[in-house]
Amino acid sequence: AQKITQTQPGMFVQEKEAVTLDCTYDTSDQSYGLFWYKQPSSGEMIFLIYQGSYDEQNATEGRYSLNFQKARKSANLVISASQLGDSAMYFCAMRGLQKLVFGTGTRLLVSP
Amino acid sequence: DVKVTQSSRYLVKRTGEKVFLECVQDMDHENMFWYRQDPGLGLRLIYFSYDVKMKEKGDIPEGYSVSREKKERFSLILESASTNQTSMYLCASSFLYGQGDTEAFFGQGTRLTVV
Repeated sequence: AQKITQTQPGMFVQEKEAVTLDCTYDTSDQSYGLFWYKQPSSGEMIFLIYQGSYDEQNATEGRYSLNFQKARKSANLVISASQLGDSAMYFCAMRGLQKLVFGTGTRLLVSP
Repeated sequence: DVKVTQSSRYLVKRTGEKVFLECVQDMDHENMFWYRQDPGLGLRLIYFSYDVKMKEKGDIPEGYSVSREKKERFSLILESASTNQTSMYLCASSFLYGQGDTEAFFGQGTRLTVV
């Protein structure tokens, strides 16, 4: 069975600061992928970043980086230099084979 | 641009009605997914499909069924709608994992209210 756990229902950060959103996962698959999505108040789901289980380097996409610790089964999202537009729900997700499962999400609020 | 289109943005149905939610994608994706999103519960997988006529149960399939007669279309069916199925429903599609871009693309969502 696959499971994603996001333990932070809400996070606050000041503009220009960095923030880490936590994600742990559980799977028996050897090959799997980890994803982060952003959902602003408009409701659309925006793909941010992907990490494959066999990737040796942590994924980065602009201000987003994924802190992948395989032994700990964690895949935390780091947003550097937060902006007001980063205020949104953030979902961690995992897929092994063909199933894609999501966590419960973290609501991030960026204050001026 | 990848497009995943859900047939309705808002839907109001009566208890006991049979409800069809339609999803169409234009990227020739093999995988298609249906989720429901509820506050505090995140996105929960209802059903997914990896090929025409193939379907797999997700984590909360009870009360739902699906149909995939064509590659581009994946329908979610509520056989007899109940008030506890009031929710936001999201459809997504992607290539098979390990083949090409792996992320899933989402539709705009259908907010279903059952009264």
